[in-house]
Amino acid sequence: GAGVSQSPRYKVTKRGQDVALRCDPISGHVSLYWYRQALGQGPEFLTYFNYEAQQDKSGLPNDRFSAERPEGSISTLTIQRTEQRDSAMYRCASSLRPGGYNEQFFGPGTRLTVL
Amino acid sequence: SQKIEQNSEALNIQEGKTATLTCNYTNYSPAYLQWYRQDPGRGPVFLLLIRENEKEKRKERLKVTFDTTLKQSLFHITASQPADSATYLCALDPYYGGSQGNLIFGKGTKLSVKP
Repeated sequence: GAGVSQSPRYKVTKRGQDVALRCDPISGHVSLYWYRQALGQGPEFLTYFNYEAQQDKSGLPNDRFSAERPEGSISTLTIQRTEQRDSAMYRCASSLRPGGYNEQFFGPGTRLTVL
Repeated sequence: SQKIEQNSEALNIQEGKTATLTCNYTNYSPAYLQWYRQDPGRGPVFLLLIRENEKEKRKERLKVTFDTTLKQSLFHITASQPADSATYLCALDPYYGGSQGNLIFGKGTKLSVKP
């Protein structure tokens, strides 16, 4: 079956622009997670949803970052007024149920470059 | 501070040997610990999960141990093959009981298996 998909795969933007990154989880998966991954590092948690409810946004770096999952399926991570330090790989993952005992399925990521 | 460390950034071994990767954590009491494999340019792929009351878990050539006293997990690949070359990440749910699922990842260990 289809895995987690993310779009766009690559995004180049100029400093100060807003960007929206999309994640389409595996159908039926309750939980959806956003991570950011720098080169040579493991994924760093940003935020997560159970159904449409945002459960934890403690990992979002600042208030320029926001996320939504309005219908409990597709999610969008929005970065306003992008800065060069926002350049990274943004990864989305989904799991059938919430909780650390469930495996997470990761998407291919969106590589964001802010010039 | 809370940390999760994978001791070796890189590990080079000969084909056929056993690879042993280490994951240490401090100031967490995880109920579950997960291991993922990540190939270049791709998202992490789940391999194994071990619970705090399990000492050891096996899957084919993979074995994971979990010592909550030492706060350490070991990941073994027996009879290693060049196809096992990848980065291996350990991850844990930092919340009591593993109820959330927003994982904290180590930096990963890059394993290279030489023919």
